[in-house]
Amino acid sequence: SAVISQKPSRDICQRGTSLTIQCQVDSQVTMMFWYRQQPGQSLTLIATANQGSEATYESGFVIDKFPISRPNLTFSTLTVSNMSPEDSSIYLCSVEEVLGNEQFFGPGTRLTVL
Amino acid sequence: DAKTTQPPSMDCAEGRAANLPCNHSTISGNEYVYWYRQIHSQGPQYIIHGLKNNETNEMASLIITEDRKSSTLILPHATLRDTAVYYCIVRVDTLGGATNKLIFGTGTLLAVQP
Repeated sequence: SAVISQKPSRDICQRGTSLTIQCQVDSQVTMMFWYRQQPGQSLTLIATANQGSEATYESGFVIDKFPISRPNLTFSTLTVSNMSPEDSSIYLCSVEEVLGNEQFFGPGTRLTVL
Repeated sequence: DAKTTQPPSMDCAEGRAANLPCNHSTISGNEYVYWYRQIHSQGPQYIIHGLKNNETNEMASLIITEDRKSSTLILPHATLRDTAVYYCIVRVDTLGGATNKLIFGTGTLLAVQP
């Protein structure tokens, strides 16, 4: 199984600022994903982080708001740009092998925007 | 939109079996049924998955009806630590070229009572 860490674990930010969340995996993995979980809600997939190319975003999410980097097979970042209180959520990264059956999730980053 | 329907909440007495139902009446022949759970303040955790045969592992059993339109996750001896939101997800087999994406529904909040 993959062990995933995220930094920061939580943060409180002012509106209009940006925050970059890091996701580190203890082994090389093919697929990495970023999810958002708004308060009291289920998880919503933001994008698939592709190594060496632009991320693939789901409907309703755009690169200007959520730029993603994936420089190698063990690391990815998600930036939440120009934040507003509506961006207050838990952001989670996950990983899975391309022919895998089990997706592993990080502990999440709890973001509060004032 | 999620392709599954689950009751929003269920209670179970500690030590008894917890049976969590899921309807997936529009499931396709190449779609698997996956179960994840999310304990409060943690990332989701994989439990089990299956195609058409019943499956069992160290955590749970998965019973899929013959027509595959519904399934039941069984936790044989529920403990207080099993209190969590349980998500039933259908996904195309990754061997079939699927993108590994998980689309979460609203899930079932299982409360195990002492």
